[in-house]
Order: sequence, then structure tokens, then C-alpha cells
Amino acid sequence: AQSVSQHNHHVILSEAASLELGCNYSYGGTVNLFWYVQYPGQHLQLLLKYFSGDPLVKGIKGFEAEFIKSKFSFNLRKPSVQWSDTAEYFCAVNWAATGFQKLVFGTGTRLLVSP
Amino acid sequence: DTGVSQNPRHKITKRGQNVTFRCDPISEHNRLYWYRQTLGQGPEFLTYFQNEAQLEKSRLLSDRFSAERPKGSFSTLEIQRTEQGDSAMYLCASSFTPAKNTEAFFGQGTRLTVV
Repeated sequence: AQSVSQHNHHVILSEAASLELGCNYSYGGTVNLFWYVQYPGQHLQLLLKYFSGDPLVKGIKGFEAEFIKSKFSFNLRKPSVQWSDTAEYFCAVNWAATGFQKLVFGTGTRLLVSP
Repeated sequence: DTGVSQNPRHKITKRGQNVTFRCDPISEHNRLYWYRQTLGQGPEFLTYFQNEAQLEKSRLLSDRFSAERPKGSFSTLEIQRTEQGDSAMYLCASSFTPAKNTEAFFGQGTRLTVV
């Protein structure tokens, strides 16, 4: 079955620290890859997406992610986090094999950035 | 606000009662999705519509659940004879999908508590 794994459930960082959140998906073939963020009390918002082309994608607020097809991974990075990055981060994938019809989400990583 | 709108935001109901949630997608979006999110988990796909046609239902969607999207605009999700296990956040998302590469926009969700 198609699944998405996020390795870190809780991450605590100090401001200015670098961030890397892992995401792996279970099944090969052509995929679309997404990172969504949910700030406290708010709805899920798209942080960045990969459809094709350059495997290093840049999103909003200084975030970037790298698609490594051979590792089935799409890790999220930010060189220097801010207190305002405190949120829950979800990796999501949809597959060509299922017509890109539905997203499969990871369990999420709750990030706390201390000032 | 032209985002995805969900009502109500919160619903508390007694076990055995029926509840109905509404989702208004972004106006030009032809696809509408329902997801369920429980504590500590990522959103899980329930069902989706392309215009007014319901094209896929997850095995998570038991016979007590029914979703409609009359006229391809707003959608309703009804849960009959609610059970405590139905307590969750119910998320609606929409997308415009002339091709495979598009992202879904999420509403703020309806939090259901069954007591």
C-alpha cells in the first residue's frame, strides 16, 4: 500500500538553528510531492511542491526541499529557523498509479522553535 | 475570503445522533476532497468528487458516512448514528484539475466531538 513516513514526530530547535525534516514514501513510479504547514489554529497551507524538473524546490518563507528519487525521499530544509516557524509540518504524496487523485499524508512533525 | 470554507467549525453531538457538515470549495475548482484527521495523525483520505460525481471512496468511509456534491458546487458530509470513534477533524479541500499537476487547498476543518 502507498504510505508516507515522517521520521521525526517532535523537533525542538533554537532560533537560527538549521532544520531538516525527513520524508520517505513507500512506492515508486511518478509522484507529485508536497509539504504542507499548519500553524497553530490555522488551516493546512502549501509550503512547497514538486511535480517535475529540478529536484531542489524552493518554497515560501525560506524553505526548500530536495527530491531524491533513488531514496524515495523529499526532505524539507531551512538554514535558519525563526520562532514564527513553530507549526506542524506534513509531507504528502500522490501517485501517477492512482491518477494523482488523492494525497497520502505522513503523520506530521511538530516543530517548536524557542526564541 | 475566497478560500475553502467549512461549517460548522466545531460540533459536539451525542452518540447515536446524525451530523452533517458543509464545505464550500474555491469557486472555480472542479475537484473536492474530504479527509479525516485524528490526533497525532496526518489527514486520511475519505472521498473525492469531480464536479458532481463521487469518483472514489476510501474503505474508511463506512456505510454510516455519505457525501454529496449536488450541482458540483458545495458538498455535504453526513455521519449517521455517530460513534465515539468518529471524533476527529474533518477537512475539506478543493483543486482545479485540468491536468495532473495541481495542489489542493484546504479549509479550516470541522472538529467533531462525539460524547
